[in-house]
Amino acid sequence: DADVTQTPRNRITKTGKRIMLECSQTKGHDRMYWYRQDPGLGLRLIYYSFDVKDINKGEISDGYSVSRQAQAKFSLSLESAIPNQTALYFCATQLFNEQFFGPGTRLTVL
Amino acid sequence: SQELEQSPQSLIVQEGKNLTINCTSSKTLYGLYWYKQKYGEGLIFLMMLQKGGEEKSHEKITAKLDEKKQQSSLHITASQPSHAGIYLCGADFTSGTYKYIFGTGTRLKVLA
Repeated sequence: DADVTQTPRNRITKTGKRIMLECSQTKGHDRMYWYRQDPGLGLRLIYYSFDVKDINKGEISDGYSVSRQAQAKFSLSLESAIPNQTALYFCATQLFNEQFFGPGTRLTVL
Repeated sequence: SQELEQSPQSLIVQEGKNLTINCTSSKTLYGLYWYKQKYGEGLIFLMMLQKGGEEKSHEKITAKLDEKKQQSSLHITASQPSHAGIYLCGADFTSGTYKYIFGTGTRLKVLA
């Protein structure tokens, strides 16, 4: 079984809809991250959490919110999706300096 | 401008050929990480370099961090189709506020 899982793996939605992407990990790591990946722009950090009570904005947090429900769960929400949020979204955990990535969620906003 | 620049952006090589991917930083690197991403999938950690002049190898992949600690190279010897994917470097630029940056990636295709 994968250590970092993301659901859904693919999602197509319409402009204005609320979307939640979920991430679960069985690695027992405190640190968790949400990134988006766009062609030519690499990975950009949206939000990160160093423990259950800690939430921090990353480079591109506008239009997104997160919830750290437990050590193992870190959810990303798009309150009102817009087309330029179409991207590949990754959740990751970290232990020391190594990051462990989920398989990604491909989100398309029409 | 990118704090981590990778070159080339894409690379197509014949199976069996050697290749090098570079990652150049605008700041001193205190830790440089290489990841591989299969198309449409998550990143897999390859190796970490911390000391200037450090070199690490994993199977046919060797990475070096230069003495001045502002550039790293990833070298693949005798490339195989299984090496195909996107290679990304990452670096921790945390100074007070957490800041971990990824390069834009190098897309590698290996022709059989």
